[in-house]
Amino acid sequence: NAGVTQTPKFQVLKTGQSMTLQCAQDMNHEYMSWYRQDPGMGLRLIHYSVGAGITDQGEVPNGYNVSRSTTEDFPLRLLSAAPSQTSVYFCASSYTRTGRTSNYGYTFGSGTRLTVV
Amino acid sequence: KQEVTQIPAALSVPEGENLVLNCSFTDSAIYNLQWFRQDPGKGLTSLLLIQSSQREQTSGRLNASLDKSSGRSTLYIAASQPGDSATYLCAVRDRDDKIIFGKGTRLHILP
Repeated sequence: NAGVTQTPKFQVLKTGQSMTLQCAQDMNHEYMSWYRQDPGMGLRLIHYSVGAGITDQGEVPNGYNVSRSTTEDFPLRLLSAAPSQTSVYFCASSYTRTGRTSNYGYTFGSGTRLTVV
Repeated sequence: KQEVTQIPAALSVPEGENLVLNCSFTDSAIYNLQWFRQDPGKGLTSLLLIQSSQREQTSGRLNASLDKSSGRSTLYIAASQPGDSATYLCAVRDRDDKIIFGKGTRLHILP
């Protein structure tokens, strides 16, 4: 049971480049989300999804796109990287509150450290 | 809009002491509250999950309490050890199923 897997672990981009951060989970969780973590700002929600085909914006969605074509995968796309997007990105998943279990704690991936120069 | 606050932002205590970390939230309509630990440069590790119907959860030297009506949770760490040094984060699951985090408390246990 791998849990939540994020790739890559580290990435350096030039301003204006695009890329996709990958997130996959093997726990059949309905809920998946992306956060960015910056010093002094805590964890801020970028986008989230409550199931395949359903996505919604969080607190800081600008500059990022997501899609959820399968239950397992929830990629985060940076359309045109900017230095302000330098951060550590975390993907997390859980069952939803209407899911099959009352244990809907949150499981995190190990993070992607992104630097935009 | 749900807001989660953790006080203090940083805390240093001598080894062996018992300590309490605080978490408050503005909207009491939550489904659960979860405490995490984060070591420098690492991901988040779940410590305790409290459902909205529960008052507390215990795991080893850790005890988390929840008072939903007053919008408060505490994480109690007994007999602190240097290995407990980390940032502790609390997060609430709101009525829209979103998880909202506090900014964390940086804990340093002095040997």
